[in-house]
Amino acid sequence: AQTVTQSQPEMSVQEAETVTLSCTYDTSESDYYLFWYKQPPSRQMILVIRQEAYKQQNATENRFSVNFQKAAKSFSLKISDSQLGDAAMYFCAYRSSTTSGTYKYIFGTGTRLKVLA
Amino acid sequence: DTEVTQTPKHLVMGMTNKKSLKCEQHMGHRAMYWYKQKAKKPPELMFVYSYEKLSINESVPSRFSPECPNSSLLNLHLHALQPEDSALYLCASSQDKDYYEQYFGPGTRLTVT
Repeated sequence: AQTVTQSQPEMSVQEAETVTLSCTYDTSESDYYLFWYKQPPSRQMILVIRQEAYKQQNATENRFSVNFQKAAKSFSLKISDSQLGDAAMYFCAYRSSTTSGTYKYIFGTGTRLKVLA
Repeated sequence: DTEVTQTPKHLVMGMTNKKSLKCEQHMGHRAMYWYKQKAKKPPELMFVYSYEKLSINESVPSRFSPECPNSSLLNLHLHALQPEDSALYLCASSQDKDYYEQYFGPGTRLTVT
């Protein structure tokens, strides 16, 4: 069975600094998707960034980038130039491939990010 | 319009009550989802609807009954709930079940007394 692990329950970063959130996962599949979602205190979850497992290039979205290490089953999120609005709970998520025959969308336990002014 | 709306925002119900949660999207998405999120826990998938048909039921107790009257609307009917069912219920939608990106609603905070 697939699992997603986020070992950092809470992280803090100074405004304008860089922070990295860690995520590891376990799967026997070779094709899958990985995501980072952000859930601010208002609760509405939004997609921050995605990575397709078959792509070697790390995904980047403005100040957000990932370090995807497929062999190590690691998927960390780097937030550059942190802003107060980045404060939220961040969830790492795994989705099985559409060809796998089973549908799995699994979230990690989350990392609460605090941004200090 | 990239919005998923959910009503009500908060709901308190007794164990003998029957209530419903409502979710709506007007993005033309053909897949809709119900998640349950306990405090300080990640969301857990409950149901997936694809083209208005129930596609996945993650072994959810029958006291939760989903319904998809049309492609824009998803309901979750609640009956004879237990206090441990108190949680945030999130609805999400995506272009279709195979599309990776889900759009989430703000959730309904349910308290069972």
